[in-house]
Amino acid sequence: GQNIDQPTEMTATEGAIVQINCTYQTSGFNGLFWYQQHAGEAPTFLSYNVLDGLEEKGRFSSFLSRSKGYSYLLLKELQMKDSASYLCAVGDSNYQLIWGAGTKLIIKP
Amino acid sequence: IAGITQAPTSQILAAGRRMTLRCTQDMRHNAMYWYRQDLGLGLRLIHYSNTAGTTGKGEVPDGYSVSRANTDDFPLTLASAVPSQTSVYFCASSDSTGLDTQYFGPGTRLTVL
Repeated sequence: GQNIDQPTEMTATEGAIVQINCTYQTSGFNGLFWYQQHAGEAPTFLSYNVLDGLEEKGRFSSFLSRSKGYSYLLLKELQMKDSASYLCAVGDSNYQLIWGAGTKLIIKP
Repeated sequence: IAGITQAPTSQILAAGRRMTLRCTQDMRHNAMYWYRQDLGLGLRLIHYSNTAGTTGKGEVPDGYSVSRANTDDFPLTLASAVPSQTSVYFCASSDSTGLDTQYFGPGTRLTVL
């Protein structure tokens, strides 16, 4: 079967750094996406990795290791507005996205 | 309109009733999708359309139908609603039919009693 695993919830302090992990087992691999979803709102795109390595975009970075079926999202200089759920999604062999249940990130002052 | 709109925002529906959730995008995207999101579960694909005139089944299509008569609109119909269809429904679109960034509508919160 296809499976995406993420921690259910994480807590971090404003100004700190947090790493959200995602492991996956899918039929084929056609890229990995990270989306942000604030409570009661729609998911919005954060990053896309298709090759191994680190992609940096401002305060957010995303890493991929295809051999390990592993990715992480790194958030630096945390702000209160970063309190949200972070969704990991993997493109399978049919080019459909398989979604993880999301990690709820709580930022404390 | 800019992006994707969905209607209604929320709805309470009696079991057995028919309901159509509307979705319209103005980005001229080829592909459109319907997902449901339930607490503790990831987004699950209900139906998709790679281009106007074509549709396909996703992971959880039973009890739902879609049509894609034109590029902009992608309605989702529940023929006879059941309580297990209580969920938040998101419509999304992407430019290409391969893997591409998906843009989501604001969602419809549906409660079936």
